[in-house]
Amino acid sequence: AQKVTQAQTEISVVEKEDVTLDCVYETRDTTYYLFWYKQPPSGELVFLIRRNSFDEQNEISGRYSWNFQKSTSSFNFTITASQVVDSAVYFCALSEAGANSKLTFGKGITLSVRP
Amino acid sequence: GAGVSQSPSNKVTEKGKDVELRCDPISGHTALYWYRQRLGQGLEFLIYFQGNSAPDKSGLPSDRFSAERTGESVSTLTIQRTQQEDSAVYLCASSLRWWADTQYFGPGTRLTVL
Repeated sequence: AQKVTQAQTEISVVEKEDVTLDCVYETRDTTYYLFWYKQPPSGELVFLIRRNSFDEQNEISGRYSWNFQKSTSSFNFTITASQVVDSAVYFCALSEAGANSKLTFGKGITLSVRP
Repeated sequence: GAGVSQSPSNKVTEKGKDVELRCDPISGHTALYWYRQRLGQGLEFLIYFQGNSAPDKSGLPSDRFSAERTGESVSTLTIQRTQQEDSAVYLCASSLRWWADTQYFGPGTRLTVL
């Protein structure tokens, strides 16, 4: 069975601070996909990144970066120089590589960025 | 292009009534998923459509829940004899392919059962 753990429930930072959101996953599959989604106060989930299990290269997109480490089953997300607009709930999710790619979500991390 | 749309955005109903929630996926997307998000919780999978067939209904919480999809288009999630524990946001997502592709989510329907 798949499982995603986001141990941090709420994080509060001051604008311009860097913040890392942790994600640990469990799966018996050798091929799988990891995702991060952002859910702002408006409620709609916004896709941020998709990473397959064979690609351990770190990814950077503007102020966002992701660190994937298979050895520790972690897929952590860092926001550099946080901004108030980054305030949201962030979900990490896992799917198998198969006919049903349903997502297994963590419980989410509520990030508050204070001005 | 247009994203995933869902209607209604909000639905308030009385316990015991039936409700229908609608999802319009992104045009051309073959796979469609329904998830439920209870207050302060993560999302839980309900059902998956590949075209208009539903190979995986394992997440439906009871036989009061059912869903159908017309071709590779609109899907309807029906909850019969609603209970208060059904109160949640129901989210629909679609993906271009059914194989491990990125899912794009709609804005959700907030269901409140009084």
